[in-house]
Amino acid sequence: ETGVTQSPTHLIKTRGQQVTLRCSSQSGHNTVSWYQQALGQGPQFIFQYYREEENGRGNFPPRFSGLQFPNYSSELNVNALELDDSALYLCASSLETEAFFGQGTRLTVV
Amino acid sequence: RKEVEQDPGPFNVPEGATVAFNCTYSNSASQSFFWYRQDCRKEPKLLMSVYSSGNEDGRFTAQLNRASQYISLLIRDSKLSDSATYLCVVKRTTGFQKLVFGTGTRLLVSP
Repeated sequence: ETGVTQSPTHLIKTRGQQVTLRCSSQSGHNTVSWYQQALGQGPQFIFQYYREEENGRGNFPPRFSGLQFPNYSSELNVNALELDDSALYLCASSLETEAFFGQGTRLTVV
Repeated sequence: RKEVEQDPGPFNVPEGATVAFNCTYSNSASQSFFWYRQDCRKEPKLLMSVYSSGNEDGRFTAQLNRASQYISLLIRDSKLSDSATYLCVVKRTTGFQKLVFGTGTRLLVSP
């Protein structure tokens, strides 16, 4: 619907492992933001990429990192997974005003 | 203190009822304001933007009071399909644009 697609939709990882989540932004949208939504909470801003550069970061440790590619798609990488990293990870793409969210990746760390 | 505060609810209302949600924000540099709707295990979707002059979209009315740093959403004639979590969102631009979400208010509309 929004033109923003995320993969995978669900993922189970073991504590200490690393994970890569992917996001394809809506055509022409040069800005991608990542959010983490824990159960019962609102989404929390992780970081934002604009034209392949990180241009803003929330209160997340360095083991959360990302990339944006020339086609504006993006990856979120999380190293040394912890149990508390279990959440819905949302990607939002935007151009000027409205942000459009993908359906999210539900990550479970066991 | 959270930057955006909402009553988490749940608000249990019968069909046809009018229900109001409130939200306060602490950062006076906040520039834009929104209500998003989130269905269970789905992504947030923009419901409406919020302006100081107030705006209405069908059964939904949103209002912003900048002086009090207060945002409201009124839903009239509630439908079963309105059952969802309503997220109050502010946008700040400090070098980059960032959405700050409240925890959401859960609404349950029953027959």
